[in-house]
Amino acid sequence: DAGVIQSPRHEVTEMGQEVTLRCKPISGHNSLFWYRQTMMRGLELLIYFNNNVPIDDSGMPEDRFSAKMPNASFSTLKIQPSEPRDSAVYFCASSLIGRGEAFFGQGTRLTVV
Amino acid sequence: QKEVEQNSGPLSVPEGAIASLNCTYSDRGSQSFFWYRQYSGKSPELIMFIYSNGDKEDGRFTAQLNKASQYVSLLIRDSQPSDSATYLCAVNDDMRFGAGTRLTVKP
Repeated sequence: DAGVIQSPRHEVTEMGQEVTLRCKPISGHNSLFWYRQTMMRGLELLIYFNNNVPIDDSGMPEDRFSAKMPNASFSTLKIQPSEPRDSAVYFCASSLIGRGEAFFGQGTRLTVV
Repeated sequence: QKEVEQNSGPLSVPEGAIASLNCTYSDRGSQSFFWYRQYSGKSPELIMFIYSNGDKEDGRFTAQLNKASQYVSLLIRDSQPSDSATYLCAVNDDMRFGAGTRLTVKP
C-alpha cells in the first residue's frame, strides 16, 4: 500500500485566495483525521471522520475552514478565504476504527502571503 | 474539552542514558494510549501503544500506564543520537495529541 497520500506537498497562495488540500487514506481504513501543526500550537486535531461521517469538528478554527469526505477514499480540507495565520503544515492521517493506530501522510506545507 | 498534556522540553540526555517522557490526560474514561515520534520535517510515526495498566516493553522502549493517576510515560533505554526527535502522546481513537516533548541525545 502506498500509505496516506496528500496533495499538494507545498502550497503558496495569496491572502484571500481559496486553498484546497487533498487526502487519500489507506485503502480499507475507515477513520480519517485532519491536523494542523505549528511551532506555537503543536499538532492540533481539526476534524475527524468515521465511515465518511464527521464525528468531531470542534477543532476547526473558524467558518473559513471546511472539510468533506465524499467517499471512503478521498477527503478535502478547504480554507476560504485564506489568511497568513493559516500558514502551517497540514497532516492527514487514517486508521481503522477501534484499532487506534493512525498512519500519517507526508503533510502539506501551506504558506499564505 | 479533553486535554492531553506533555512537558514541551527540550529534554537533553547523554548517549546511553535513560530518557523519560511523560504525558497526562484529563478524560478518566480514556482506554488507549499511543506514543509517536516525529523527526524534524517529517510526519509522526507510531512507536508504541498501550491499553492496560502497567508496563509494555518493545526493545529499548517501555510504555507505562497508570489510569488511576491518569498518566502515561515512555522510557527509552540506552538512548542514541538517532532517538533525537519530538515525542508525541495521543489518547483514544480520536487521536488528540499533546504538544510533544523534544528530546536531544548528545553523543
